Amino acid sequence: SQTIHQWPATLVQPVGSPLSLECTVEGTSNPNLYWYRQAAGRGLQLLFYSVGIGQISSEVPQNLSASRPQDRQFILSSKKLLLSDSGFYLCAWTNGRRRGHRGAGELFFGEGSRLTVL
Amino acid sequence: KQEVTQIPAALSVPEGENLVLNCSFTDSAIYNLQWFRQDPGKGLTSLLLIQSSQREQTSGRLNASLDKSSGRSTLYIAASQPGDSATYLCAGLYNTDKLIFGTGTRLQVFP
Repeated sequence: SQTIHQWPATLVQPVGSPLSLECTVEGTSNPNLYWYRQAAGRGLQLLFYSVGIGQISSEVPQNLSASRPQDRQFILSSKKLLLSDSGFYLCAWTNGRRRGHRGAGELFFGEGSRLTVL
Repeated sequence: KQEVTQIPAALSVPEGENLVLNCSFTDSAIYNLQWFRQDPGKGLTSLLLIQSSQREQTSGRLNASLDKSSGRSTLYIAASQPGDSATYLCAGLYNTDKLIFGTGTRLQVFP
């Protein structure tokens, strides 16, 4: 069965410090991978998504970046954190839009990483 | 622009009531629509997935419908229980491989 792991679960960082959140998926190949952010009391904002190794699409201009060094690994980074970067970060995966595949496009989430920037 | 809207934003009901949560999307070229549940401080749990060729899906006390022509989906919860209290989100998948989320409905079921 497929599983998704995301870490760290909780992070408290000072302004200006770097960030690295990691997400890995097991039990599938060539997944589509996503990073979302959920600010307090707000909806889910898509930050980045990737349909393959080295392919990153950015949705929102910001000081964050994403990388996909391996097929099932997705990393969210920042060189210098801002106060506004605080939030709940969620990694997710799907098997894409493989037509005829039952459950095609179903999205599965990790448990999230709560980042507090002080 | 592809947008997904959910109403109501919040709902508080007594235990045992049947509920309807609404989800609207502006772009009808949707590939599938998915309903999630989120408990406070937790990730999202997938509840139901409806492909564009389907009209509804059922799982236990949950039933979700999809009407692409009107740009609407509904989540029906039968005989609500306090354990159903959570935020419910819908999301549409488009041919760009992007999932667009609604802002959610916060549900509280009291005994």
